[in-house]
Amino acid sequence: GQQLNQSPQSMFIQEGEDVSMNCTSSSIFNTWLWYKQDPGEGPVLLIALYKAGELTSNGRLTAQFGITRKDSFLNISASIPSDVGIYFCAGYHGSGNTGKLIFGQGTTLQVKP
Amino acid sequence: DAGVTQSPTHLIKTRGQQVTLRCSPKSGHDTVSWYQQALGQGPQFIFQYYEEEERQRGNFPDRFSGHQFPNYSSELNVNALLLGDSALYLCASSSRWVTQYFGPGTRLTVL
Repeated sequence: GQQLNQSPQSMFIQEGEDVSMNCTSSSIFNTWLWYKQDPGEGPVLLIALYKAGELTSNGRLTAQFGITRKDSFLNISASIPSDVGIYFCAGYHGSGNTGKLIFGQGTTLQVKP
Repeated sequence: DAGVTQSPTHLIKTRGQQVTLRCSPKSGHDTVSWYQQALGQGPQFIFQYYEEEERQRGNFPDRFSGHQFPNYSSELNVNALLLGDSALYLCASSSRWVTQYFGPGTRLTVL
């Protein structure tokens, strides 16, 4: 079945540093989504990407939809302690509004003040 | 504007029992998807409901079933619970676009 490979698995950085993580797939997706999940909570949508090559920002977060449609990248600039959490990429497989999200394994981010 | 809500928050059951989880979608959304998230893993798609019908299904046995009501809310039912069914069960809603918004989840523990 379809799988997404997300890397790195975990990161431990200093407050103020920039962060980069990526997601790759053997399959093409038409939409890429990035979520953040805190322990015991549901994933919260950060950024949605709908077109190959698209670059979208949300505050200090920037994500890109790879031109091959098989990968996506998320960057966080000037990290702060509240950025701590698990970041998931998800590719959308389906047509129209009926489809499913395929998730990566997650990147755990820890920020040292 | 209320987001996606799920109930109950936590649930403890024993093997062989049956469980029903509930989800109310975000206002304006008509599609509900259910996911299972084991500890340390990404969410896995169970199934999706739209117009009160199951539209897509992931690789889950028939013990997992669902329902969508006319007000778009949904239920997830799991029969003959196994220890391996212990997980966080997430509901996500969407409308027209593929962007799915998640609820806080129901933590199910099977003893």
